Amino acid sequence: KAGVTQTPRYLIKTRGQQVTLSCSPISGHRSVSWYQQTPGQGLQFLFEYFSETQRNKGNFPGRFSGRQFSNSRSEMNVSTLELGDSALYLCASSSQGWGGYTFGSGTRLTVV
Amino acid sequence: AQSVTQLDSQVPVFEEAPVELRCNYSSSVSVYLFWYVQYPNQGLQLLLKYLSGSTLVKGINGFEAEFNKSQTSFHLRKPSVHISDTAEYFCAVIEAAGNKLTFGGGTRVLVKP
Repeated sequence: KAGVTQTPRYLIKTRGQQVTLSCSPISGHRSVSWYQQTPGQGLQFLFEYFSETQRNKGNFPGRFSGRQFSNSRSEMNVSTLELGDSALYLCASSSQGWGGYTFGSGTRLTVV
Repeated sequence: AQSVTQLDSQVPVFEEAPVELRCNYSSSVSVYLFWYVQYPNQGLQLLLKYLSGSTLVKGINGFEAEFNKSQTSFHLRKPSVHISDTAEYFCAVIEAAGNKLTFGGGTRVLVKP
């Protein structure tokens, strides 16, 4: 059974640009969540999608957005990148029944 | 809203010695509890989870944790660590009806030979 796949693994962008990160959940998982991990703030929740609907959103500015497709794959977009957006972005998927969330390996975004 | 406190940011331990990582949480509703491990440049791997039932939970790689509702704690233990256990460990909670994990700040475990 394939795990959660995040692409790309590494990304370098310039301040002011925008970026799109992709996440393919485990087959059959309909919930996809995104987290930002930084040394200073730790792991912070960005948003969660279930069946193409955003059910929950963390305390991030509107520059951070996401969506989920009918096949449960998800993308997150960050517009007008700032240096502080440099982080490891983690995607997690879950099935009903609370087996827990399975995380991908993450996308390391560096903003220069 | 929930919160999670991991009391130790770093824990050095010798190989084959026991280790305990402490986690306390705060929540006004029922929660599920998790421990995740993160190796360098990797994502999070689930070690174990408490959903209900027996308060002693066994996980992968010889880890176990005990849920204590009265003390709102979920401490992680391993009786004998290996060099390969060097990693960062995260405690997390989620409301029983929720969809958002709240993480502690992490505990970095350094196993010394």
